[in-house]
Amino acid sequence: KQEVTQIPAALSVPEGENLVLNCSFTDSAIYNLQWFRQDPGKGLTSLLLIQSSQREQTSGRLNASLDKSSGRSTLYIAASQPGDSATYLCAVLEYGNKLVFGAGTILRVKS
Amino acid sequence: DAGITQSPRHKVTETGTPVTLRCHQTENHRYMYWYRQDPGHGLRLIHYSYGVKDTDKGEVSDGYSVSRSKTEDFLLTLESATSSQTSVYFCAISERTGNLNSPLHFGNGTRLTVT
Repeated sequence: KQEVTQIPAALSVPEGENLVLNCSFTDSAIYNLQWFRQDPGKGLTSLLLIQSSQREQTSGRLNASLDKSSGRSTLYIAASQPGDSATYLCAVLEYGNKLVFGAGTILRVKS
Repeated sequence: DAGITQSPRHKVTETGTPVTLRCHQTENHRYMYWYRQDPGHGLRLIHYSYGVKDTDKGEVSDGYSVSRSKTEDFLLTLESATSSQTSVYFCAISERTGNLNSPLHFGNGTRLTVT
């Protein structure tokens, strides 16, 4: 059974810092990995999707990497801002066409 | 934002009553999903649909049923609500026709409380 783990569970940083969120998964038989952002009381917003054949994807200040063989992904946020405060979730799409989520990392960026 | 509407947004119901949650999309996407989100568990898949009248179970399907009679609507029914089904329920959609790498888009959720 696929298990997705996110470390740390919570993170508090001062504004302007670069930070890394980690995601690991137990079964490398995946189509892709997605990073999502969730604001309180809201649904999830897709940030980046990395296909299994890709190593990384970038969008603005966000960069996500994927090492499928080791079962790891990282989300790098450059020059963090208070508006980045949210819960960040990663999810892998298995060969059975099911998306399996991690529990998320709660990020707080202090001004 | 993707055109996904969940209704109701909040509901309080009593143990043993049936409850139906609705997800409506305007994107004409083929795949639709129901997830529940609970502290410490993340999002867990309840049921999903890959077309009209085509549905399959997720990892936490017991006590839930779904129906999809039209492309745009995906209904989740709690046949006899229990307190363990108190949760936030999210609907998601994905195009995924010929492209397994199309992203998932989520609705804003339904907060259900079973007393």
